[in-house]
Amino acid sequence: NAGVTQTPKFQVLKTGQSMTLQCAQDMNHEYMSWYRQDPGMGLRLIHYSVGAGITDQGEVPNGYNVSRSTTEDFPLRLLSAAPSQTSVYFCASSYSQGLAGKYNEQFFGPGTRLTVL
Amino acid sequence: AQSVTQLGSHVSVSEGALVLLRCNYSSSVPPYLFWYVQYPNQGLQLLLKYTSAATLVKGINGFEAEFKKSETSFHLTKPSAHMSDAAEYFCAVSDAFMNYGGSQGNLIFGKGTKLSVKP
Repeated sequence: NAGVTQTPKFQVLKTGQSMTLQCAQDMNHEYMSWYRQDPGMGLRLIHYSVGAGITDQGEVPNGYNVSRSTTEDFPLRLLSAAPSQTSVYFCASSYSQGLAGKYNEQFFGPGTRLTVL
Repeated sequence: AQSVTQLGSHVSVSEGALVLLRCNYSSSVPPYLFWYVQYPNQGLQLLLKYTSAATLVKGINGFEAEFKKSETSFHLTKPSAHMSDAAEYFCAVSDAFMNYGGSQGNLIFGKGTKLSVKP
């Protein structure tokens, strides 16, 4: 298993450009999520999905769009990049938290480092 | 709402000394708690997790953490620091509760503590 993969590893954008960060997992996980990591802020949840066709907002969703057409893929779109979106982005996945008392561990990808000029 | 607070954004210890990284949580019901480690320019790796009644949790690389309900704490310790322990450590709480199923399991992270180990 490759686990959680993210592409690209690095990206530089100009303000106003759009792009899609790719995330894929091969573990048949229902749950997938996107976090951003900023110095001194920890990781903050952007969007998440509990299955194909179902997405919801996290703590910091503004400026980002997501869709989940397959179980394996969960792309994150920046429609009009801004310098405030300079960050490291992590994708994570897990089985769904269906049963009380049984926690399903989240697995993280290696991250995408994005700079917006 | 649940939250975690990590005390100290930077901690420096000498090689061989005790490592103590502090984490306090806020939750009205028994939470799932986690410690993750991030080595430079890498992703997050799970160190250990509290998901049961066992209050002392052992993780990888000699780390352990104790869940103390009375103090709402989940501090991470290691008896003897090694140079390879230098990294950033994150405490996190899940919005999935132990007594209830069917939630998303989103993680709420603390701001992180950077551990330096001096030779």
